[in-house]
Amino acid sequence: KAGVTQTPRYLIKTRGQQVTLSCSPISGHRSVSWYQQTPGQGLQFLFEYFSETQRNKGNFPGRFSGRQFSNSRSEMNVSTLELGDSALYLCASSLVSGASTDTQYFGPGTRLTVL
Amino acid sequence: AQTVTQSQPEMSVQEAETVTLSCTYDTSESDYYLFWYKQPPSRQMILVIRQEAYKQQNATENRFSVNFQKAAKSFSLKISDSQLGDAAMYFCAYRSRGAGANSKLTFGKGITLSVRP
Repeated sequence: KAGVTQTPRYLIKTRGQQVTLSCSPISGHRSVSWYQQTPGQGLQFLFEYFSETQRNKGNFPGRFSGRQFSNSRSEMNVSTLELGDSALYLCASSLVSGASTDTQYFGPGTRLTVL
Repeated sequence: AQTVTQSQPEMSVQEAETVTLSCTYDTSESDYYLFWYKQPPSRQMILVIRQEAYKQQNATENRFSVNFQKAAKSFSLKISDSQLGDAAMYFCAYRSRGAGANSKLTFGKGITLSVRP
């Protein structure tokens, strides 16, 4: 079974631009979560999507948004990029049973550099 | 809010030896999961082992085992017969469990493990 895939793997943008990152979950996984990883702040939860709905949200400004499609693929968008948005963005997918999500499996990440 | 603490930023182990990575956490919940994830230089986050808080038996996965002390809120990872491929950053993580629980993972700062040949 194919793992979680993320595209693109690397991105370079300039301040003020916007960016869209994509995540395709493991087949059959309906929950997708996003995390930001930086050397200073470590790994921080951005949001989780399930059945095309945002189910949980971390403590990030409104410039960070996401969505999920009917095939469970998810995108996250960052508008008006700032230097501090430079990070590794990780996507994780998991099975959902009832109202409970199972173990999260991660993709390889997208490395975003903001100049 | 839950917190996860990994107080050792770096550790080193000789190949074929055993090493233990420490993790403590703080929570007021009684039902939760604990995880160890490995992040090698490729940056791919890989699940090493999972422990459900309601299970008294410590989880094991081949050379990896945990020492879960619920009352002490301690969750350490033991790697036996260390191999060069074990060199990576290791993260301890917490997640609430149960219907409707927030599924976000709360991570520690991580520990960099090096393996000496």
